[in-house]
Amino acid sequence: DVKVTQSSRYLVKRTGEKVFLECVQDMDHENMFWYRQDPGLGLRLIYFSYDVKMKEKGDIPEGYSVSREKKERFSLILESASTNQTSMYLCASTSLVGFSNQPQHFGDGTRLSIL
Amino acid sequence: GQQLNQSPQSMFIQEGEDVSMNCTSSSIFNTWLWYKQDPGEGPVLLIALYKAGELTSNGRLTAQFGITRKDSFLNISASIPSDVGIYFCAGPTGNQFYFGTGTSLTVIP
Repeated sequence: DVKVTQSSRYLVKRTGEKVFLECVQDMDHENMFWYRQDPGLGLRLIYFSYDVKMKEKGDIPEGYSVSREKKERFSLILESASTNQTSMYLCASTSLVGFSNQPQHFGDGTRLSIL
Repeated sequence: GQQLNQSPQSMFIQEGEDVSMNCTSSSIFNTWLWYKQDPGEGPVLLIALYKAGELTSNGRLTAQFGITRKDSFLNISASIPSDVGIYFCAGPTGNQFYFGTGTSLTVIP
């Protein structure tokens, strides 16, 4: 079974802090994704990566950056945390077969609160 | 980004009842996916559909890939309390995935 592991289930940080959310997958997947999930807004894509050191902006990249130094690890960085970044953050990974994405596999999520 | 239109938004049903939900899009998809998310957890893949007209079952769950390739349906038969959660449809295209807004299911014992 695919395992996507997010480093923290719950995290509380203060406004202005630099916050790191880590995600590791064990299936050698090419593609990795970071989403945030808010009530009434569904899943919104922040960034994704289709290869080591490659990254693409999603729908809401402002205030975030990412790092993919190794294939299995995709980090989300909040450069200077703000209260409107309080949310549930979900990491996902998938493989490519031809030009088609296979189903995404998700981590358990990190519930981040910014005070 | 594009959101898929999913309905109903929420459902309150009695244990033992059947459930139906659907997802529509203005674009064609080659794959339809259905996920379930328990409270406080990440989404878990329930069923993947790869062919128009395909009907696939996973226990009490049955999903169909619409003939037009613009819609999909999920049915749950004989609901039980552990079916509670949010159900999402999703469709991959290019390098991205599009998600439905979710159907929140409450099962009353």
